[in-house]
This record gives sequence, structure tokens and C-alpha cells, in this order.
Amino acid sequence: ETGVTQTPRHLVMGMTNKKSLKCEQHLGHNAMYWYKQSAKKPLELMFVYNFKEQTENNSVPSRFSPECPNSSHLFLHLHTLQPEDSALYLCASSSGTGEAVTEAFFGQGTRLTVV
Amino acid sequence: AQTVTQSQPEMSVQEAETVTLSCTYDTSESNYYLFWYKQPPSRQMILVIRQEAYKQQNATENRFSVNFQKAAKSFSLKISDSQLGDTAMYFCAFMKRAGNQFYFGTGTSLTVIP
Repeated sequence: ETGVTQTPRHLVMGMTNKKSLKCEQHLGHNAMYWYKQSAKKPLELMFVYNFKEQTENNSVPSRFSPECPNSSHLFLHLHTLQPEDSALYLCASSSGTGEAVTEAFFGQGTRLTVV
Repeated sequence: AQTVTQSQPEMSVQEAETVTLSCTYDTSESNYYLFWYKQPPSRQMILVIRQEAYKQQNATENRFSVNFQKAAKSFSLKISDSQLGDTAMYFCAFMKRAGNQFYFGTGTSLTVIP
């Protein structure tokens, strides 16, 4: 158990559906991330939030919309997805200020299937 | 931009033997961190070992150790006395000292054979 919790673990959605992924950490970390993991590819960084402010958006399509209401919670809102968006979505958190730099702590991921 | 390369997509090792996983990276940064993560079939990515670039001494964690060659930008992971529970995907990762961006390799799938 890493202290980062993701829900749901599995999600099947149609291309016209709207759903949200949730991530929660109570580790006191100031940074949270969404990654996409597809087979045979490096982990793709999607979004980074530092102190609730989005600091990175790696050319992610607008059908993915992140939300960070506070430093402990991170959401990924999904709408009008495509079958190629099917993947494992991983949330992570870290603390990266001053000397207190930590590694990334990952959740168990949400296996998303778009049908 | 930072890149991390793992040139071994799959590896196998006999139980109790030693195996080394390779990782190279490319960066112009002088201050950074390197990590090895393990992702078992349960999917949760967990940290195996971490190395600060300013430290010359190679990090060790029980059966896991690294060979960090800063000039060569190489960061290999050695697993000694391999156990069945070591079967997993292993990812090498890089993080700049300033900022919170992690860069991952494509992973090496390790199978420990009984």
C-alpha cells in the first residue's frame, strides 16, 4: 500500500459517456500526476499539479479534463473518448520542494476500456 | 528533453541467480534523481531503489543494488538471489532536481523461473 488510492479500479465506458477517475493521497505531498500506460509504450505523463496549480499539460486532448480541488485529491474527467484511449491510467504523488524531494508514489491504476 | 532508454524488453532468470537490468538516460542536467520501479501483475508501481546523482556511492537495498555511471549516463539494476516474487515489469525513471517531472523508460519484463 503506497498511500495513493484510485477509484474505480476498472471502468468500461461507451464513446458518448462521461465518467470521472478519482485519486486521493494523504501523504502530505504537494504534487500530483496523471499518467497513461499503454502496452509497449513508456508511461505518458498527462498532467502535473503543483500546489493545486496545473503546471504541465502534455498536449493531452481536451476530452481529458483534470481537476485538482485540493492538494489531496485529483480527478480526471472523461468525455467522448475513443477506443485508442483504452489504457491503464495511473495517478501518482510526490513532494518536490527544497531538500524534501521524494520519489513518486503510485496508485493501483484504473483500467479503462472504451467500447 | 530527458529520455530514458531500457533496451531489454524481456528478461528471465533462474531462481536464486543474479540478473542485471540496463538503463541509460540522456540529460543536460547535472543535478537529478534516478529510480527503479517495480510493477507486479497487481499493477501497483512500487519503488525499488533510488539514487541521487550527486552521490558517487551506488545505492543498495537488500538484494537490489545499482551501478550508477554518471559520465556514461547509465543506471543498471542488479537483483541478487532472485525470488519468484521479483517477477514483474521494471521501470527506470529520471527526475530533475528542480521540478516534479518524472520520465520513464519502456520497461523490462522480468520473469523468475523456478
